[in-house]
Parts: sequence; C-alpha cells; structure tokens
Amino acid sequence: GAGVSQSPSNKVTEKGKDVELRCDPISGHTALYWYRQSLGQGLEFLIYFQGNSAPDKSGLPSDRFSAERTGGSVSTLTIQRTQQEDSAVYLCASSPLAGGPGDTQYFGPGTRLTVL
Amino acid sequence: AQTVTQSQPEMSVQEAETVTLSCTYDTSESDYYLFWYKQPPSRQMILVIRQEAYKQQNATENRFSVNFQKAAKSFSLKISDSQLGDAAMYFCAYGRNYGQNFVFGPGTRLSVLP
Repeated sequence: GAGVSQSPSNKVTEKGKDVELRCDPISGHTALYWYRQSLGQGLEFLIYFQGNSAPDKSGLPSDRFSAERTGGSVSTLTIQRTQQEDSAVYLCASSPLAGGPGDTQYFGPGTRLTVL
Repeated sequence: AQTVTQSQPEMSVQEAETVTLSCTYDTSESDYYLFWYKQPPSRQMILVIRQEAYKQQNATENRFSVNFQKAAKSFSLKISDSQLGDAAMYFCAYGRNYGQNFVFGPGTRLSVLP
C-alpha cells in the first residue's frame, strides 16, 4: 500500500503567519510521530500520538506549536505566528501496533518550511 | 535522559570498499532497541537495520551489519561493498519506550567515491 505522505512538500511563509502541515500515515498504523530536522541537524522529537490515548506533547518547543490527529489517522501540525527559527524540515512517521520501541517507524518525505 | 552520539559528521568511502560508522549512546536501561536509519537527498528516512539489546548476536541485513557492544554502549554500522546508492545521511537511534524516549543521533554524512 501507499507509504506515509506529507503535504505540502515545501512551504514558504512570512514571519508571523500561521502554517498547517499535514501527515497521512500508513493505513492501520496506530502510532504517529512528528519530528523537526533543522539544517544539518538530527531529528528533534515534537509529539507522539498512540491510538486514542492522550498525545505525548513533551517535545513541542513552545505553545505556538500544536498538533491534532483526527479519527486516529490524518494528523495536522500547526505553527502559529511563525518565527525564522521555525525554518526546518518537519518529518512525520507512523508505526504499526502500539508504536513500541521495537517497531519500525515509516517516515514521510517531510515538509520543508521556510520562514522569511 | 538518553543521548545518542555520532562522532563522525562526515565519512567517505571508495566504491566497493568497506566503511564503519560509529555510534555511542547513554542509557541506564538494560532492555532497549537500536536502529540505523538512512536519509538520502530525497529526505525519505529508511530503516537500515535494527538490534534488540537483549540479543547478543549482531544484526545483519545483506551488506549492512552492526557491531553491538552493550557494555561499551557502542553500536557501529559496517557497510560492505559500498555502492554509489549508499551515499546518504545515516542516523543512529535509540528506542526504549514511547514518544520522547525515541532518540536520534546527529547523523553522519557518507559519501561514496567512484
């Protein structure tokens, strides 16, 4: 079946604007992660969804960042009042079953966000 | 908190040769998983190999193998018979639990020279 998809592929916005990034996980995967990858850096955990449980939001860098997952499937990451330091590639990953530590994470191609 | 270190920001290897990428991690846990992910210029992260900490045998996937030294908290990746398509960023990752307990290293950029 189809892999994880993300949209848009690239997003350029002006400082202070809000943006929404979308992630469509693999059908049937119950766990979903969002990561941020700044230029030349590793992956920074942002948020984790598992089924209908309360999400682990401990990685969100500020209250300008929020995410939701509707119907246990599609997820949207929203960044309000964007700042230049928000410029990065935002990666989404899903994994089957409980998203346990041994599960493979299947990644989307990411959204490159540029804040001018 | 767990940390993952990759001390080689960049590596290069001649096509058909062997290269080893280093990874060390810090944890007080005894049961966990370790991963190597590959990220080519397309940005698509792909799992290369996975190791379960309770298994002493090193994982192998075709040309990719690991040297897992649990006591030393070391988890290196060996790529044999390197191919041009192996050129990518390689990330070492640690997984112990859900959410934030899945940690990635900063990555090693591998170049393959023809």
